[in-house]
Amino acid sequence: EVQLVESGGGLVQPGGSLRLSCAASGFTFRSYWMHWVRQAPGKGLVWVSRIKGDETGTMYADSVKGRFTISRDNAKNTLYLQMNSLRADDTAVYFCARDRDGDYVPYFDSWGQGTLVTVSS
Amino acid sequence: SYVLTQPPSVSVAPGKTARIPCGGANIATKTVHWYQQRPGQAPVLVIYYNRDRPSGIPERFSGSNSGNTATLTISRVEAGDEADYYCQVWVWDANTGGVFGGGTKLTVL
Repeated sequence: EVQLVESGGGLVQPGGSLRLSCAASGFTFRSYWMHWVRQAPGKGLVWVSRIKGDETGTMYADSVKGRFTISRDNAKNTLYLQMNSLRADDTAVYFCARDRDGDYVPYFDSWGQGTLVTVSS
Repeated sequence: SYVLTQPPSVSVAPGKTARIPCGGANIATKTVHWYQQRPGQAPVLVIYYNRDRPSGIPERFSGSNSGNTATLTISRVEAGDEADYYCQVWVWDANTGGVFGGGTKLTVL
C-alpha cells in the first residue's frame, strides 16, 4: 500500500524558514516524480513544485521560485521542501503527491494527509 | 498562464446525475484529471486521462473532454459523493506546470 506521510509544518514568522518532509513507503520511491501541492485555508489546490525520481529535474511555480527548494533522498525514501523567506500568503496545508506519469501527462495518484504551515508574527 | 474555470457549487438530488464542468481554452487539446476532496481529507484521484477510473472508484464516475469544456459526471449520486471536486491539467512551459481549477462544491440535497 502506498503511504505518504508529511511532517515539519508549524508556526513561523514572516521571513523565516521551514523544511517539510514526506516519508514514502509501499512503492519504489526512486522511480517516481514527486510533487508538493498546497491549499490555503478555505481555498483550492495549488501546485508548488516537482522533482524527478533521479533528481535530475526540478520545477517550481512562479510564486515560490527562488524561495523554495525541492529535494529528495532516495536512500531514505523521503521528499523535502525547503521554504525560505516565508510570507503570510504561504500559509497553507502542504501535501506531497506521487506522480503517475511525470514524463508525459503528470497527475497525482497518491497523496499524503498534509502538514499545516502558518506564517504569522 | 492557463486558467481552468469551475462553478463554485453544484447541487443535485440523491439518485440523479451531477455534471461538473471545467472550462479552459481549447482544453480538448489537453489531458484532464479529476480529484475528490472531502472536508479535512487529502484529495483522491477519481478520473485520469480525461475518462479513465482508478481501481476502487465506482463506475458511476465518468469524464469527458471536448472543445473548451471537460466534464466530470457522477451518475446515481449518493450522499457520500458530497465533496469538493477539482480538475487539473499540466502545462508544458517553463513557467506553469500544474494547473488546478478553483474547485466545485457538490451538494447532495
